[in-house]
Amino acid sequence: IVMTQSPGTLSVSPGERATLSCRASQSVSSDLAWYQQKPGQAPRLLIYGASTRATGIPARFSGSGSGTEFTLTISSLQSEDFAIYYCQQYNNWPTFGQGTKVDSK
Amino acid sequence: QVHLQESGPGLVKPSQTLSLTCTVSGDSITSGDFFWSWIRQHPGKGLEWIGYIYYSGTTFYNPSLQSRVTISMEASKNQFSLNLSSVTAADTAVYYCARDTITTNLAFHHWGQGTLVTVSS
Repeated sequence: IVMTQSPGTLSVSPGERATLSCRASQSVSSDLAWYQQKPGQAPRLLIYGASTRATGIPARFSGSGSGTEFTLTISSLQSEDFAIYYCQQYNNWPTFGQGTKVDSK
Repeated sequence: QVHLQESGPGLVKPSQTLSLTCTVSGDSITSGDFFWSWIRQHPGKGLEWIGYIYYSGTTFYNPSLQSRVTISMEASKNQFSLNLSSVTAADTAVYYCARDTITTNLAFHHWGQGTLVTVSS
């Protein structure tokens, strides 16, 4: 299953809303996770089950969607949120999107 | 708190076998309904799942790597390992070991810090 993320780069100012998209080449139901990765660090699980926040993840992160279309929303971007975000499906053997880089406008 | 730590050579020669070990603390790799995975990230690129070993010892591999990959576990040391044979420069990557969440198989909640493996003569 091919995962396609858009946009490739998203330029956002602190306090603004960021909306990231992920599309699956076939339905993955709600078997979708989102990760945040900062330079030199391992990815950090943010969302699983398309919309369930992982332990300790701030409420400004929310996920939605099912089937083939998914969205990660950061309601009010903080400086520590500048990073690369990946979606991943686990409906079949796991595959990741190519990532969306969120940087400062 | 679950902690995973990768170890192994940082440099492997072409055509040889890449071997890495993941040492787990804070959890037993043979208890519970968990999948223990290897994932890699080519420099500046995205993430690629390599395969998993289930707590029961069952394995499953990425079809694109299946012919070269073996994942095994050593329960007495609470470790699981990755062997990738016939490596080329295209196998140069940061290799992570990871475990999924308690409630959701193959959503990766716990990660090692990663280890860079370079394939070069």
